[in-house]
Amino acid sequence: AQKITQTQPGMFVQEKEAVTLDCTYDTSDQSYGLFWYKQPSSGEMIFLIYQGSYDEQNATEGRYSLNFQKARKSANLVISASQLGDSAMYFCAMREGGNGGSNYKLTFGKGTLLTVNP
Amino acid sequence: DAGVTQSPTHLIKTRGQQVTLRCSPISGHKSVSWYQQVLGQGPQFIFQYYEKEERGRGNFPDRFSARQFPNYSSELNVNALLLGDSALYLCASTLEAGSYEQYFGPGTRLTVT
Repeated sequence: AQKITQTQPGMFVQEKEAVTLDCTYDTSDQSYGLFWYKQPSSGEMIFLIYQGSYDEQNATEGRYSLNFQKARKSANLVISASQLGDSAMYFCAMREGGNGGSNYKLTFGKGTLLTVNP
Repeated sequence: DAGVTQSPTHLIKTRGQQVTLRCSPISGHKSVSWYQQVLGQGPQFIFQYYEKEERGRGNFPDRFSARQFPNYSSELNVNALLLGDSALYLCASTLEAGSYEQYFGPGTRLTVT
């Protein structure tokens, strides 16, 4: 079974509007971390936001917020006020097990290609 | 501060050859991980090294090997290259605090012909 599922191969949004990118995950661990990365056409993976499984508040970083619904095992990324520079691939990823312990393996989804239209 | 650096940026090899990819982590980061990203897919975990010891290995054949040096830089070696090894190889170093997020380098694009 896939551990990270991103069901939207592509999404379109108008500039200045908000967009939600979906991510569901599967794990039996109680302690885990969820990440979103942005990958422009240049190829570099850019860290956007992190949510720990024990964090009660949804994470926010500027225009990015993570809608964490633990019971549904979903960790959707919300981008507010989209900009043309937001056009890129977006990947959801999970690290199972707690922080520390030197286990840093990330499992990635297949990604969503976001296109922001002017 | 410099980010994660990787070399070379692009590489073209022939089937059966061997290749070595290099990575320098962010200063102060002791862990380096390697990922393979085939076109149209998310990155797949290959190896993780922490303090020069292998701490994790993904589902890759023994043709793939890696090591980490005393200065925490790392090399990924792939022997007997196959066409299917063509991919973007990403190196990441880990912030060992807080969320332990991984910072990725620009990648090495390997083409096997």
